[in-house]
Amino acid sequence: DAGVIQSPRHEVTEMGQEVTLRCKPISGHDYLFWYRQTMMRGLELLIYFNNNVPIDDSGMPEDRFSAKMPNASFSTLKIQPSEPRDSAVYFCASSPRRVTASGNTIYFGEGSWLTVV
Amino acid sequence: AQTVTQSQPEMSVQEAETVTLSCTYDTSENNYYLFWYKQPPSRQMILVIRQEAYKQQNATENRFSVNFQKAAKSFSLKISDSQLGDTAMYFCAFGGATNKLIFGTGTLLAVQP
Repeated sequence: DAGVIQSPRHEVTEMGQEVTLRCKPISGHDYLFWYRQTMMRGLELLIYFNNNVPIDDSGMPEDRFSAKMPNASFSTLKIQPSEPRDSAVYFCASSPRRVTASGNTIYFGEGSWLTVV
Repeated sequence: AQTVTQSQPEMSVQEAETVTLSCTYDTSENNYYLFWYKQPPSRQMILVIRQEAYKQQNATENRFSVNFQKAAKSFSLKISDSQLGDTAMYFCAFGGATNKLIFGTGTLLAVQP
């Protein structure tokens, strides 16, 4: 399997611009997660989907952030307008079952490194 | 709410030696998973090992093993025969009923030649 695929790997954008991060989960995985990693806050969960439906978006920082999963093989995380404090590594992850299901593993993509100047 | 604490921001070990990374967590749940992830300079998150809370036997994966003490809510990672490629940030994580992974702040491990 190709693993979780994220694009772009790196993006530099100007403050105020719209940013769209993309993710293709592993085929057959029912759960998709978006995480953000910063020096100040570490790794934090932004939102997760189950069977394309958003289940918990309590980690989404504010209205500038939105996430969608139009089908089982694609998800986007959009920031509009972007701000310098959004600079971070954004990870997409997927898993076949719930975290507490026996034998389950969560697989991470390689991350999208966002810099907002 | 669940919390995960890694009290060692940085550690260093000589190649071929053994090192133990500490992790404690807090939860009122009984059924949960614990994980160790490795993050090398490439930033990719790589699963090292996982432990199911209901299993008393400590998980092992080649040179990596854990010491899981459920009553003490402790989950340490032992790396035997350390190799230069083990140099990375290591994150402890908790997964429970909320279906979220809660991560610790990480331990930066440097393996010295």
